[in-house]
Amino acid sequence: EVQLVESGGGLVQPGGSLRLSCAASGFIFSNYWMHWVRQAPGKGLVWVSRINADGTIKSYADSVKGRFTISRDSTKNTLFLQLNSLRVDDTAVYYCARGGGSLEYWGQGTLVTVSS
Amino acid sequence: DIVLTQTPLSSAVTLGQPASISCRSSQSLLHSDGNTYLSWLHQRPGQPPRLLIYKISNRFSGVPDRFSGSGAGTDFTLKISRVEAEDVGVYYCMQATQLGTFGQGTKVEIK
Repeated sequence: EVQLVESGGGLVQPGGSLRLSCAASGFIFSNYWMHWVRQAPGKGLVWVSRINADGTIKSYADSVKGRFTISRDSTKNTLFLQLNSLRVDDTAVYYCARGGGSLEYWGQGTLVTVSS
Repeated sequence: DIVLTQTPLSSAVTLGQPASISCRSSQSLLHSDGNTYLSWLHQRPGQPPRLLIYKISNRFSGVPDRFSGSGAGTDFTLKISRVEAEDVGVYYCMQATQLGTFGQGTKVEIK
């Protein structure tokens, strides 16, 4: 069974940093593209970032480019998202998802709250 | 950047009746590899999204056959042939041809 479990969310002040993790199991992690998607409270889904299977291709939404960094560790079957220079409007549930051309499996999400 | 526009933004449907959602892209979603990476997802309150349809018209594993997708280029449609109570929630189209973009979402409720 494919499982994706996010962690690392929490309350952080504007300008602060967080590192989100997504632990993957039930599939060969190193074979798949992975994505991060976020959803602000009561709002729609917003694509954030993606990384290819071997970690050599990384892409970002304009709103996070230069502030967020996606990475993966295939020895630990874990996807990461480093969030720096956080802003109030980064407040959201952050989901990791497996897939390339479509997001087949999703985690339950981790909440990031940016507030002073 | 590609923009996806969904219509309607909300829909109240009688149980057993059909429903249809449109997704229009600001650019063609045909990828250079010949695929069109347009998918449809469903999200119930408090839950993560769930993939329904990928590459325009392919139902994902376990998705009932009352769900179907169609379209090409810039215009796409999700149809539910007979709405059931469990189909309430928000439906999103998503493109992954060029980075990633979601539509605004369409809220479906029972009339």
